[in-house]
Amino acid sequence: DIQMTQSPFTLPASVGDRVTITCRASQTVGNWLAWYQQKPGKVPKLLIYKASNLQSGVPARFSGSGYGTEFTLTISSLQPDDFATYYCQQYNEYYTFGQGTKLEIK
Amino acid sequence: EVQLVESGGGLVQPGGSLRLSCAGSGFTFSDHWMHWVRQAPGEGLVWVSRISSDGTNTMYADFVKGRFTISRDNAKSTLYLQMNSLRAGDTAVYYCARYGIAFDSWGQGTLITVSP
Repeated sequence: DIQMTQSPFTLPASVGDRVTITCRASQTVGNWLAWYQQKPGKVPKLLIYKASNLQSGVPARFSGSGYGTEFTLTISSLQPDDFATYYCQQYNEYYTFGQGTKLEIK
Repeated sequence: EVQLVESGGGLVQPGGSLRLSCAGSGFTFSDHWMHWVRQAPGEGLVWVSRISSDGTNTMYADFVKGRFTISRDNAKSTLYLQMNSLRAGDTAVYYCARYGIAFDSWGQGTLITVSP
C-alpha cells in the first residue's frame, strides 16, 4: 500500500505569510495527487488535482507542484479564511490520504 | 448545483448493522465513480470503498473487506454502504464523494457511533 506522509503536522503562520506544505509518497504516484482543505465541522474541499491543477473557484494564491513521490502545496499570501487542515491524497493506486497539516494562527 | 446528501447514520451496538445512503443530484449520477470516505472524531480522512459508474467494479479498504458492501442504484441516483459486524473502531463521520477530477464533490457526512 502507498503511504502518504505530510509535513509539518502543525504549521503556525500569520496572515500574509507564504507557506508550504510537503507531501511524500512511499512510492511513485505520478501526478495523481490532490490537495484538500477542511475546516472544523466542515466538508473537505478539493483545491488541487493532478498535482498542480487548480480546481475551479479556488483562489490563485493556492498552487501545487511535484511529481512522483514529492509534492508541495503553497499558499502565496495567507488569508484569514485559509486557516484550516490540509490533506494530500494519492489516487494512482487505491486512494490514500496524508495525515493532515493543521495551519494555525501564530 | 452538485449535491450529495447522506443519510442512515446513528448509534449502533458492536456487531450490529447499518445501511448508509447518499443521494446525488445536480449531475448525471450514472457517469461517475463514487466513493465512501470516513473520518473518526479528531482524526484524518480515510478512504473506505469505491464503486464504478455502472456498479460492476468495487474496491474496499482492507479494514472493511468482508464487512462492508458498496452498491448503487443509478435509476435512483443513490449510493449505498451496507455496514455489517460493526466495531467501535468504525465510529466516524462517513462521507460520500464523487470522483470527477479527484474527489470533487462531497456530501455533508453522516455520523456512525458504534457503542454498547
